[in-house]
Amino acid sequence: RKEVEQDPGPFNVPEGATVAFNCTYSNSASQSFFWYRQDCRKEPKLLMSVYSSGNEDGRFTAQLNRASQYISLLIRDSKLSDSATYLCVVNKAGDYKLSFGAGTTVTVRA
Amino acid sequence: DADVTQTPRNRITKTGKRIMLECSQTKGHDRMYWYRQDPGLGLRLIYYSFDVKDINKGEISDGYSVSRQAQAKFSLSLESAIPNQTALYFCATSPRGGEETQYFGPGTRLLVL
Repeated sequence: RKEVEQDPGPFNVPEGATVAFNCTYSNSASQSFFWYRQDCRKEPKLLMSVYSSGNEDGRFTAQLNRASQYISLLIRDSKLSDSATYLCVVNKAGDYKLSFGAGTTVTVRA
Repeated sequence: DADVTQTPRNRITKTGKRIMLECSQTKGHDRMYWYRQDPGLGLRLIYYSFDVKDINKGEISDGYSVSRQAQAKFSLSLESAIPNQTALYFCATSPRGGEETQYFGPGTRLLVL
């Protein structure tokens, strides 16, 4: 079983729509959680960390469910520029290596 | 100027050739990493280094070696390239302590014929 699993998508949504997707992780000792964004064949960049209480950054909302071992990302009022692959990233306690999901592709159309 | 740079950005080589990918950073970070990315798979860790004298194997180190020449430089070598090493390779850095955020270089596209 992969450490981090994501629905690859693609999620095709119109501008202004809301899109949400999840990621599951297998190691219950996981401590830190992140969403990274990757544009086509470019380097991943940190989008946001995911905190236990959930957190927002503008139009982006991340949630963590430790009991069910998943994290989610919700994008409100989608923009064309939100088209990208979103990588779910998990880190185990005391371990500075990150485990990456294969990514969820979002395409926002005009 | 970019904080994390990789050279070359693209490389085509033949099976059996030795090839080196280089990574340099100006972020002053202690930790450096090499990953490969293949379609449909997440980034997979090849090697990582927490300082100049500390080098560790990742999950897919076979067929690769590394050198940490200085705090700012971390090189990845393929001693005898094979076609299934065709991939997109990323170098990343992270600071000691704090959150485990990693900062990635622009990547090297490698094709082994």
